[in-house]
Amino acid sequence: AQSVTQLDSQVPVFEEAPVELRCNYSSSVSVYLFWYVQYPNQGLQLLLKYLSGSTLVESINGFEAEFNKSQTSFHLRKPSVHISDTAEYFCAVSGRSSASKIIFGSGTRLSIRP
Amino acid sequence: SAVISQKPSRDICQRGTSLTIQCQVDSQVTMMFWYRQQPGQSLTLIATANQGSEATYESGFVIDKFPISRPNLTFSTLTVSNMSPEDSSIYLCSVAQIEAFFGQGTRLTVV
Repeated sequence: AQSVTQLDSQVPVFEEAPVELRCNYSSSVSVYLFWYVQYPNQGLQLLLKYLSGSTLVESINGFEAEFNKSQTSFHLRKPSVHISDTAEYFCAVSGRSSASKIIFGSGTRLSIRP
Repeated sequence: SAVISQKPSRDICQRGTSLTIQCQVDSQVTMMFWYRQQPGQSLTLIATANQGSEATYESGFVIDKFPISRPNLTFSTLTVSNMSPEDSSIYLCSVAQIEAFFGQGTRLTVV
């Protein structure tokens, strides 16, 4: 079975500042890792995913996450945030079999101050 | 990718009644997943719905409270039975093709 821990429930930052949202996972098997974003009053959207290959993955809006197997982490980073990045961010993990379910972390609320 | 249509989008229900939520996918999928997202919280998996077999429920969720149907490879329903205010939540249907795709959810308020 897999589990996900998001260490910060809320992260307030100033606009144009860098941000890191932390995520650690636990699994006895190889995993896929995901970050989802939920903007206010909207559904969940996939932000980025790690399946295999390069451990650094990027999204189209400037976020990146790095898979670190030794530290079982998949932290999300952005060098300069914008007001429009205000949202809830969920880290998620699944096993690699076709029958695996996706388990979500508790979420991190990112609030951007002007 | 997958396009998921879920209805109703929202409802306000009296306690003690039941609500059935429908989920339609634009392609055939083996497994469909039902999640609950309580106000200000993360997603909790309720059950996995497989076509042609009983749904598999997660710890804390039982079939009598959340019966699920899966009549074919593109459709599923979740019923929230004998509702109480504690069932007020967003219920989400999902399919996974490695990553998960979600419907827009059903916002349920029980009064």
